[in-house]
Amino acid sequence: NAGVMQNPRHLVRRRGQEARLRCSPMKGHSHVYWYRQLPEEGLKFMVYLQKENIIDESGMPKERFSAEFPKEGPSILRIQQVVRGDSAAYFCASSSGQGTNWNEQFFGPGTRLTVL
Amino acid sequence: AQSVTQLGSHVSVSEGALVLLRCNYSSSVPPYLFWYVQYPNQGLQLLLKYTTGATLVKGINGFEAEFKKSETSFHLTKPSAHMSDAAEYFCAVSDHGRGSTLGRLYFGRGTQLTVWP
Repeated sequence: NAGVMQNPRHLVRRRGQEARLRCSPMKGHSHVYWYRQLPEEGLKFMVYLQKENIIDESGMPKERFSAEFPKEGPSILRIQQVVRGDSAAYFCASSSGQGTNWNEQFFGPGTRLTVL
Repeated sequence: AQSVTQLGSHVSVSEGALVLLRCNYSSSVPPYLFWYVQYPNQGLQLLLKYTTGATLVKGINGFEAEFKKSETSFHLTKPSAHMSDAAEYFCAVSDHGRGSTLGRLYFGRGTQLTVWP
């Protein structure tokens, strides 16, 4: 049973380019969360999605960032016109959304974004 | 919003010594509580969690944590450190129940554990 998959693992972009980060949740999981980890800081919540719905995006920057979780395919975190301050590790987590462990979140290996 | 404080960004112990990593949370209602471990360039792995019931929770790799409501604490311990325990440890909390903002995790800043031979 494969865990949470994220790709790419490392992504390098120049300022002004777009970054697309993909996350495939664990099999049977329908809830996806994105977190950002800046150097020497803990993870900060960005967005919580279910299939075709954004449940909570209160942690997303107001501009340039967007997320989706389509009916088919992985969840995508999209950063437009990247700036150096976007350099960070971006982690995806998934949960089943069911039962007593509905919120037990399993994390992917992360995508490390470097903006030159 | 919840907040999580991990006292000590770096903790060093000798192999075989007691490990104690501290975590305090701020919430008027006891949240769900988690400890995660992160090895270099990897994702987070769940060590243990507290939701309801027994306040002493046992996790993987010999770790355990005790929920103390009166102290709003959830400190992580291991009786005898091993070299392989060297990693970064994160305490996290989430709100009860379900709903729009429920389910997200609030993380502490992390504690880097070093184990000396």
